[in-house]
Amino acid sequence: DAKTTQPTSMDCAEGRAANLPCNHSTISGNEYVYWYRQIHSQGPQYIIHGLKNNETNEMASLIITEDRKSSTLILPHATLRDTAVYYCIVRVADGSSNTGKLIFGQGTTLQVKP
Amino acid sequence: DAGVTQSPTHLIKTRGQQVTLRCSPISGHKSVSWYQQVLGQGPQFIFQYYEKEERGRGNFPDRFSARQFPNYSSELNVNALLLGDSALYLCASSLPQGSTDTQYFGPGTRLTVL
Repeated sequence: DAKTTQPTSMDCAEGRAANLPCNHSTISGNEYVYWYRQIHSQGPQYIIHGLKNNETNEMASLIITEDRKSSTLILPHATLRDTAVYYCIVRVADGSSNTGKLIFGQGTTLQVKP
Repeated sequence: DAGVTQSPTHLIKTRGQQVTLRCSPISGHKSVSWYQQVLGQGPQFIFQYYEKEERGRGNFPDRFSARQFPNYSSELNVNALLLGDSALYLCASSLPQGSTDTQYFGPGTRLTVL
């Protein structure tokens, strides 16, 4: 069962910031929040991940609330190529240091419009 | 650097047949995971292998099996194919580095069962 809740769909104007929310109220203290996106019929693409602190890379920023029960992925200047399904995932660790299956939910379909 | 590669890209089989899908991880990655994605849903975890050993298994029947080779490449086998096995099969590789290792996905193999 997915441990995250995301809106089914969102629209964003090209050039504007896209803010994608995710609720993960049952997250454990040692679980990370991962974001992937999937452009139609392609493999999921890793975007960013974080534990407690806000993170930023060349693709996006991840803002995690202080209680860690929710997070927001920010695409600062959305382009048409950012149209995709965005998945927020809480990383499950099975007790071994070398496992960690990803449990995908339905994700958020982001439509970037001209 | 080459990413995760999968072969074949597309495959058409009939019910009852057997299929083998192949995956080559990113150079230096030692862990491979397999996911099934049916149309309209997020990917579902099937297996994870590390150093040729199974480290995790999802809720899939015994018709699904996999193995990892000394060069860390992997094969996923599905026997007695059913119509419901039609899906995009995704392979992901990771180093790993404990529970925070990032999985990188290949483009997938589209399997159609007629």
